[in-house]
Amino acid sequence: AQSVAQPEDQVNVAEGNPLTVKCTYSVSGNPYLFWYVQYPNRGLQFLLKYITGDNLVKGSYGFEAEFNKSQTSFHLKKPSALVSDSALYFCAVRAWPNDYKLSFGAGTTVTVRA
Amino acid sequence: DAGVIQSPRHEVTEMGQEVTLRCKPISGHDYLFWYRQTMMRGLELLIYFNNNVPIDDSGMPEDRFSAKMPNASFSTLKIQPSEPRDSAVYFCASSNRWTDYNSPLHFGNGTRLTVT
Repeated sequence: AQSVAQPEDQVNVAEGNPLTVKCTYSVSGNPYLFWYVQYPNRGLQFLLKYITGDNLVKGSYGFEAEFNKSQTSFHLKKPSALVSDSALYFCAVRAWPNDYKLSFGAGTTVTVRA
Repeated sequence: DAGVIQSPRHEVTEMGQEVTLRCKPISGHDYLFWYRQTMMRGLELLIYFNNNVPIDDSGMPEDRFSAKMPNASFSTLKIQPSEPRDSAVYFCASSNRWTDYNSPLHFGNGTRLTVT
């Protein structure tokens, strides 16, 4: 079985400060990892993904994420947060070749204060 | 690209009534997924289709729930009879090349269902 844990329900940062949203995963097989963002009253939007290769992946809106195989983590980062980054963030995983399903974490609410 | 289109955006109904949620996937996408989002349970996969054929409906909570995909551009999720515990946001998502494992899901804006 595959699973995703987002240990923080909420993350609060000041605008201009670095932002980190944590994610750990558990799979049998090779992990394919994703981050999605959900703004109020909207569906989830794809931010970035890790498939293979470079452990640091870059995505939309200045976000990046670092894959760490030994720690089974895939933390989302942004060097300088904006108020408009305030949203709900989901980490998700698929395991090749075992599962066609995408498993989501519980989500982390990010609040960036001006 | 209009994205995944869901209707209605909001649905309020009384317990016992039939509810039908609708979804139009992105043209050319051959995989379609229905998810339910609640505060208590987060995002749950209900069912998914490949080329209009249901592949896995193990997430459908009860026989009161049914889903169909009569053609590549339309899917419905029906609840009959509805109950207050069905209140949630229901998302439809679609993808192409899902078998590549690196293709993301594209979500609609959801239908917020309230059953009183």
